[in-house]
Amino acid sequence: GAGVSQSPSNKVTEKGKDVELRCDPISGHTALYWYRQSLGQGLEFLIYFQGNSAPDKSGLPSDRFSAERTGGSVSTLTIQRTQQEDSAVYLCASSLARSDEQFFGPGTRLTVL
Amino acid sequence: KQEVTQIPAALSVPEGENLVLNCSFTDSAIYNLQWFRQDPGKGLTSLLLIQSSQREQTSGRLNASLDKSSGRSTLYIAASQPGDSATYLCAVQAGTALIFGKGTTLSVSS
Repeated sequence: GAGVSQSPSNKVTEKGKDVELRCDPISGHTALYWYRQSLGQGLEFLIYFQGNSAPDKSGLPSDRFSAERTGGSVSTLTIQRTQQEDSAVYLCASSLARSDEQFFGPGTRLTVL
Repeated sequence: KQEVTQIPAALSVPEGENLVLNCSFTDSAIYNLQWFRQDPGKGLTSLLLIQSSQREQTSGRLNASLDKSSGRSTLYIAASQPGDSATYLCAVQAGTALIFGKGTTLSVSS
């Protein structure tokens, strides 16, 4: 079946602009995660959604970052007033439930000029 | 705070060799441990998931073991091939999300 998909695959933006990144999880997966992969920091957790529960936002680096998940499926990660340090690959993953195997999408490479 | 360490950071071997990648974690209270492969410019491909109650998992030429009490996991790759060249990441789930090591970059020469 279809895996996790993300769009766009690449995004170049100017400092100060807002960006939206999209994730389509595997159908039927109730858990959805956003991670960020940057050269200096490795892979770090950003936010977690489980069904209709309140999301775990403990990994978001600042209040410029937000995410939502509509109808328990598609998720959007929004970064407001982008900064150069936001440049990274943003990865989305989904799993049947928490503590199950996580499947990752191909990522969105964000470059902030 | 959970920390995951992978040794070595890079490894080069000739085709056909058997090899072991190491992963250690500081807190043994984990739900599971997952090994991933990442090719340059690509996302992560899940290789093996070991639940905390399990000791090992096998998939084809790959075998992963877990010793939770000592905070260690190994990924054994048998009869390595050039197509195995990639970065291998180990990750543990102790709470909400996965905590990753920095990875081992493997190069297999023909």
